[in-house]
Formats: sequence, structure tokens, C-alpha cells
Amino acid sequence: NAGVTQTPKFRVLKTGQSMTLLCAQDMNHEYMYWYRQDPGMGLRLIHYSVGEGTTAKGEVPDGYNVSRLKKQNFLLGLESAAPSQTSVYFCASGEGYEQYFGPGTRLTVT
Amino acid sequence: TQLLEQSPQFLSIQEGENLTVYCNSSSVFSSLQWYRQEPGEGPVLLVTVVTGGEVKKLKRLTFQFGDARKDSSLHITAAQPGDTGLYLCAGPNSGGSNYKLTFGKGTLLTVNP
Repeated sequence: NAGVTQTPKFRVLKTGQSMTLLCAQDMNHEYMYWYRQDPGMGLRLIHYSVGEGTTAKGEVPDGYNVSRLKKQNFLLGLESAAPSQTSVYFCASGEGYEQYFGPGTRLTVT
Repeated sequence: TQLLEQSPQFLSIQEGENLTVYCNSSSVFSSLQWYRQEPGEGPVLLVTVVTGGEVKKLKRLTFQFGDARKDSSLHITAAQPGDTGLYLCAGPNSGGSNYKLTFGKGTLLTVNP
């Protein structure tokens, strides 16, 4: 039982490049979330999903898109990366208010 | 907007000392959670407190939910280097939909051997 996994663990992008972060969970949770964590800012919700085929905007959605084609996977896309998107990205899943987090992806945009 | 303020922001202590960190809000929460995040890892849920005045113990960690459900505290007895990490409190967003959480900015605890 792996819980929540994220790939890749590290990535460096140039401004304007695109990429997709993959999150997978094996706990059959309906709810999945993408957060970013920045020094002094705490965890901020980017997008979330309440079930397969659904997505919704969180607190800081601009510049990101998401998809949830399968219940166990939640993808976060950056279409045109900007230096302001340098951050650590966490995926989480849950049922109810208890959330289970992945190990994170450290993204640097130069 | 519901905010959770955590204090202190940073805490550095010696092994064996006791400590308390706080999570405060002007809003009432139906429950509060505490997470611990070790360097390079994601947050891990430690406990959920639900009832005003509730006290929960997890080995050397004691969690308390305020009577008015606006605040919570985490007390660690005889801290160990393995307790080092970022301690986050979180509570359900008002409106209660979609199980979204509001997180505090955390207390970064360092326990020196």
C-alpha cells in the first residue's frame, strides 16, 4: 500500500516551458487536492477534485490546469511556466477532512 | 475568510525539554487537525480534535482543543531530535463543502541533541 505517490520528485524548467505533475493514490479516496508550499505562505490550495471526472479551483488556480480522468490519478499541468511558480507542490487525497499527502515535487523555474 | 495563526513561528530547544505550540483563530471550527512535516516530506496527520475541551494524547504529544473551538495547543514532553519538523494545524473551511482545509503557516521545531 503505497498511499500517495508523486512524480517527478524534482524538476527544473525554463520560463515558458510546460510540464505535468502526476499524483496517484491507492486508497480509493474520492477527494484529491493539489497544494503549493512557499516559505512564509504556508500550504495553499491550487485545485481539487471531488471525484473522477470533476475538478474545481482552489485559492491560487491561475497558471495551472488539472485533470482527473481516473479516480486514482490527479494531474497538475503548467502550460507556460513562470518563475513565480517555483515552489514545492504537494498532492493529497482523503475522505472527509483527513488528508494524506504525497512526498512532494520541488519545481524550479528559471 | 477563516485564518489560523500559529505561534511561535520558530522554536529551537534542547533534547529533554518540554514545549507548547499554539494554533489560534477568531473563528469557530468544527474540528482541528495537527500535522507534522519532516524536511523533504509531505505533512502527516497526527490527530483530529473534534469536541471543545477535548484532550488527546499520542505518546509524548498532548493535543487540546479549546472550549470555544477557536484554538488548539500541542504540548510535547521530553522532546527528542526525532520530533524535529514543521507542525501545522488545519481546520475545515467554512461552508463545509468539498472537505477543503485551511492551514496555519506552521511552527518549525528544532530539537538539538
